[in-house]
Amino acid sequence: EVQLLESGGGLVQPGGSLRLSCAASGFVFSNYAMSWVRQAPGKGLEWLSLISGGGDQSYYAESVKGRFIISRDNSKNTLSLEMTSLRAEDTALYYCAKRSRPAGAYAVDYWGQGALVTVSS
Amino acid sequence: QSVLTQPPSASGTPGQRVTISCSGSNSNIESNHVHWYQQLPGTAPKLLILADTQRSSGVPDRFSGSKSGTSASLAISGLRSEDEADYYCAAWDDSLSVEVFGTGTKVTVL
Repeated sequence: EVQLLESGGGLVQPGGSLRLSCAASGFVFSNYAMSWVRQAPGKGLEWLSLISGGGDQSYYAESVKGRFIISRDNSKNTLSLEMTSLRAEDTALYYCAKRSRPAGAYAVDYWGQGALVTVSS
Repeated sequence: QSVLTQPPSASGTPGQRVTISCSGSNSNIESNHVHWYQQLPGTAPKLLILADTQRSSGVPDRFSGSKSGTSASLAISGLRSEDEADYYCAAWDDSLSVEVFGTGTKVTVL
């Protein structure tokens, strides 16, 4: 059974940093691209970033480029999102998402339950 | 940023057919596959349709996807109360090199 378990969410002050992690199990982690997608309270889905199965290709939404870094450790089946210079508008539920292919924006076939990040003073 | 436009809401009575549109451009919908996700209240999204028309595993055949040019559609036939949810389309955008989600459509069963 595929499981994606996010951790690391919490309350952070504007300008602060936070690192989200996603522990993956139930599939060969290195064989699939992964993404982070967020959802602000009462709002729609916003794609943030994608990383290929091998970790050699990554892409970012304009809204987080230069502030967020996606990475993966295939030896530990873990996906991460390093977030810096956080703003109030980054407040959202952050989902870890498994793509259905090794690379490219193929469909997300599994989603985690999300990690809540609140940016507030 | 959402470059895929969906109607904010759609509704129907049980048994009716509801169609949700997703309007994009030649750099996203026309050039790449469209996927559809269902998000029930308080839950994570779930994959409904991948690659324009393929139903994900376990999705009833009441759900169908189509695409023509720069637009895609999700149809729900035989509407049921459990279909009340938010629905999102998504596609890769070649010009922006990002994935874009639609603005989302809330489906209400009257």
